[in-house]
This record gives sequence, structure tokens and C-alpha cells, in this order.
Amino acid sequence: DQQVKQNSPSLSVQEGRISILNCDYTNSMFDYFLWYKKYPAEGPTFLISISSIKDKNEDGRFTVFLNKSAKHLSLHIVPSQPGDSAVYFCAVGNTGKLIFGQGTTLQVKP
Amino acid sequence: GAGVSQSPRYKVAKRGQDVALRCDPISGHVSLFWYQQALGQGPEFLTYFQNEAQLDKSGLPSDRFFAERPEGSVSTLKIQRTQQEDSAVYLCASSLVDDYEQYFGPGTRLTVT
Repeated sequence: DQQVKQNSPSLSVQEGRISILNCDYTNSMFDYFLWYKKYPAEGPTFLISISSIKDKNEDGRFTVFLNKSAKHLSLHIVPSQPGDSAVYFCAVGNTGKLIFGQGTTLQVKP
Repeated sequence: GAGVSQSPRYKVAKRGQDVALRCDPISGHVSLFWYQQALGQGPEFLTYFQNEAQLDKSGLPSDRFFAERPEGSVSTLKIQRTQQEDSAVYLCASSLVDDYEQYFGPGTRLTVT
């Protein structure tokens, strides 16, 4: 049973527009959430994180929103750029390890 | 500075062979993790070290999988008697102690034929 789910396998967005990637989790005890970005043939790269005491964290073009009651996490990228095209994984921190979703492939078209 | 490195980058093994995958973490990083990533899936946790102590090996799929980090730096993941279902990318990550921001290596793609 998957504890972290990314229900959209892919997303296509025009350059300059907003990209919104979504993630749901099952366990309300999780208290630390992260987004990773992955290019082909490379390992995942940390992007942004949020702890459960906050509902928003911003870093440049990237903002992560946490809705604890809905057990839902989202990543907003504004404005989207072609270099943002990659696979995005959400993850939750749990007793040291990370539990990942299945990933969403984002394509930003010029 | 140097990131996490893994070797080999690609490994082809015949079913039944033993393989050893190496991870060099970022210098000074206390924690080291191994994940397995199947095609089209997210990474799945295998095992976790803090220095040389293996604190969690709950994700190892069978007793054919064994990991070690004898001096608290380099780690080796060994798979004995490989099976086709072991084909995956094996990712190593390291972090400062008690930090969920893990730095990943490029992975080793294992193909079992």
C-alpha cells in the first residue's frame, strides 16, 4: 500500500506559465516533506522542503504548500522554464529514511 | 566539492552471479542510505547507516541483499545469486546526521539477464 502518491504521471506546461505538481500521503504522523528533481541518468536532486509546522515555503520560483487536514502537498513553479523539464518526486521523511512517490514527468514547452 | 559517487555506473550480471556496488559519500556525511528504483517508480528505501552502524535494514528485499560500511565512510551493497527481479537502479545517498536533505549519487543500473 503506497504511503505517498503522485496521481499524475505527466504534466505539460507552456514556458512562462505556472506548473503545479501534486502529492498525497496517507499517514498524518508524517512531519517533514520534500520535493526532489531528477534528470535522466542522474540521481535525484533536493529542491525544497517543508515541515508540518508550516503551510508554505518559498524559494525563488519554487513554492511548496502543505495542507495537513487533506494530507496533500503541492509544488508550484512560477514562471516555468524549459530547463525545469524533469521528473519530480515528492517524499516524506520518516525515521531517518525518505518515502517517495512515483514521480511526475514535467515537460515545459518553449 | 565532490558529490556522492557510485561505481560501477552500469552492471550486467547473469542470473545467479554475485554483484557488489560501491558508494563514496560526501566527506563528513555521517548518514548513508541505499535505495532501489525500478523503472517508472520512485526510489524505495533499502537500508541506512549512521557512521558504521546499520540502523535500519527493513527495506532489504531478501537475505540475498547485504550492505556494509565498515569504516563509516565507503559503503558496499552486495547482492548474492542475482535474480531478474533485482534489475533496477541502485541509488546511494548521504546526509549530515538527522537531516532529511539527502544528496544522491548518479546510481548504478543493474541488469540481470
